[in-house]
Amino acid sequence: GEDVEQSLFLSVREGDSSVINCTYTDSSSTYLYWYKQEPGAGLQLLTYIFSNMDMKQDQRLTVLLNKKDKHLSLRIADTQTGDSAIYFCAESRYSSASKIIFGSGTRLSIRP
Amino acid sequence: GAVVSQHPSRVICKSGTSVKIECRSLDFQATTMFWYRQFPKQSLMLMATSNEGSKATYEQGVEKDKFLINHASLTLSTLTVTSAHPEDSSFYICSAHHPDFNYGYTFGSGTRLTVV
Repeated sequence: GEDVEQSLFLSVREGDSSVINCTYTDSSSTYLYWYKQEPGAGLQLLTYIFSNMDMKQDQRLTVLLNKKDKHLSLRIADTQTGDSAIYFCAESRYSSASKIIFGSGTRLSIRP
Repeated sequence: GAVVSQHPSRVICKSGTSVKIECRSLDFQATTMFWYRQFPKQSLMLMATSNEGSKATYEQGVEKDKFLINHASLTLSTLTVTSAHPEDSSFYICSAHHPDFNYGYTFGSGTRLTVV
């Protein structure tokens, strides 16, 4: 079946890098996503990666994919207070119409 | 851009009444939209897939007579919570997939439903 797992909490010091990890079980996953949710708001797509890619970097965000181990990570460089939010890992099989399965979300808190 | 507008953002209703939530894709057409429910401090649970011009596909355990979905046009899907009860109180979020994959799945801002 489809399952996506994440650790629930992460606390980092402002200015340090944050690394949020995710594992998934569906070997047919084609697209893997990272979404950000701020309190009381919807979800904002941060980045995505195709299953045939190992790494993707976009400004402060770096996504690493280990397809063999079904492990996905999101690294946020130079973490700022505005990065405080819940980060959801998600996967889907196709680019449209296919449902997207979310992990439990990782709550990132920033300490001074 | 890829904007999904969801209304209302917050609603309080009495037990036994029905509530309609709208999800609109503002600048693109969406043949498929998705409805999620999120409990406090939990992940998003997919309720149903809304298909334009046809019946919605409900996930296991979701009552289709309780949560009515209508996707009458390529830019609008509605979720009606019928005969609402306090246990239906939750955060409901809709999503649509943009044809340009760089936008991915775009989410509405969510609706906080409180049934009293």
